[in-house]
Amino acid sequence: GESVGLHLPTLSVQEGDNSIINCAYSNSASDYFIWYKQESGKGPQFIIDIRSNMDKRQGQRVTVLLNKTVKHLSLQIAATQPGDSAVYFCAERVLGSARQLTFGSGTQLTVLP
Amino acid sequence: SQTIHQWPATLVQPVGSPLSLECTVEGTSNPNLYWYRQAAGRGLQLLFYSVGIGQISSEVPQNLSASRPQDRQFILSSKKLLLSDSGFYLCAWSVAGGRNQPQHFGDGTRLSIL
Repeated sequence: GESVGLHLPTLSVQEGDNSIINCAYSNSASDYFIWYKQESGKGPQFIIDIRSNMDKRQGQRVTVLLNKTVKHLSLQIAATQPGDSAVYFCAERVLGSARQLTFGSGTQLTVLP
Repeated sequence: SQTIHQWPATLVQPVGSPLSLECTVEGTSNPNLYWYRQAAGRGLQLLFYSVGIGQISSEVPQNLSASRPQDRQFILSSKKLLLSDSGFYLCAWSVAGGRNQPQHFGDGTRLSIL
């Protein structure tokens, strides 16, 4: 069946460095992807989304890249700050359902001083 | 701007007791509404979603039920809680009819069953 997963469960980066969080998906027909940030004890917070007709989308300090050939999604965070420490989830819109998302298990990003 | 509220933030209940978690959305009309459960260190599992008042779709068989008595109110209930119902429950909303629209989450309810 379809699945959305992450290559690495944890990632540690030095403050000021760039972070790259990866996500693999298996449903080649999925056409919408979202990155969320979840801090401890809180709900997921929307960061950025991308449609399958795009390869790249940029936000404030974040960039999402989509490689449909290898079914890979990444989130790049520039100049990582302590406040970026959180769990990051990718989500994929389920084929055939405009209302449902499938979530990966998340990557814990830790920013080191 | 739109906001979503969930309460309570934490809840400790004995096995066999009833449950009622409430979620309300402000600043939008006719949203799609969702209930998720998140196990520790895991992704989100969709439990219910609703596209309108009184319209509930269940994603997994379980001990829980959902209701939508008003346009922007979504309630998660149980008549008799099980130990396995413990978890972090999240409510979310999205724009109605939006094909590619993100879901926006509340801050969740941490439910512990004793």
